[in-house]
Amino acid sequence: EAGVAQSPRYKIIEKRQSVAFWCNPISGHATLYWYQQILGQGPKLLIQFQNNGVVDDSQLPKDRFSAERLKGVDSTLKIQPAKLEDSAVYLCASSLGLSRGGSDTQYFGPGTRLTVL
Amino acid sequence: GQSLEQPSEVTAVEGAIVQINCTYQTSGFYGLSWYQQHDGGAPTFLSYNGLDGLEETGRFSSFLSRSDSYGYLRLQELQMKDSASYFCAVSAPWSNYQLIWGAGTKLIIKP
Repeated sequence: EAGVAQSPRYKIIEKRQSVAFWCNPISGHATLYWYQQILGQGPKLLIQFQNNGVVDDSQLPKDRFSAERLKGVDSTLKIQPAKLEDSAVYLCASSLGLSRGGSDTQYFGPGTRLTVL
Repeated sequence: GQSLEQPSEVTAVEGAIVQINCTYQTSGFYGLSWYQQHDGGAPTFLSYNGLDGLEETGRFSSFLSRSDSYGYLRLQELQMKDSASYFCAVSAPWSNYQLIWGAGTKLIIKP
């Protein structure tokens, strides 16, 4: 079974530029998450999709970040314009979207390491 | 509010046993998950406790006490490859099964 795919793996941009990240979840997984992880911290949820609908985007800085999941499969996360503090690893995760005793195991992609100069 | 506390760093010796504790404070609770993350890698699922008690998978075991809002991850026969960060995470009825993550514990293993 193929895992969660993300690209690019690394990206270096200047502040005020734009950048986009792509994620392909595990086949059949209804739920897709985008996280931001700053070095030494736990993942911070940016947005959660269930199929192609947004479940929670309360922590997404909507003035500069946007995300979409067309057709309920692939997803893109965009930052425009980037700031220095956006330097982080952006992780995509997917899950079945079915609770088993309150658990819905998340499977993570390798992440995109973004450096904003 | 919701909060999880775990030690920032733990050091242990190869071949030994180590325990990483996690205490949580949440309004509503489904269960406690543990994830492992190697430097430069992605988090990978280790275990989930939805009920009180011990879950064992090979060298790893995890424990939950809902009455104490406490859990732990225990690693036996430590190997150098176990050097990683370990995160506890809570799922709750109000969270759409999202995970509320702790800050992580960096496990350093010495030969």
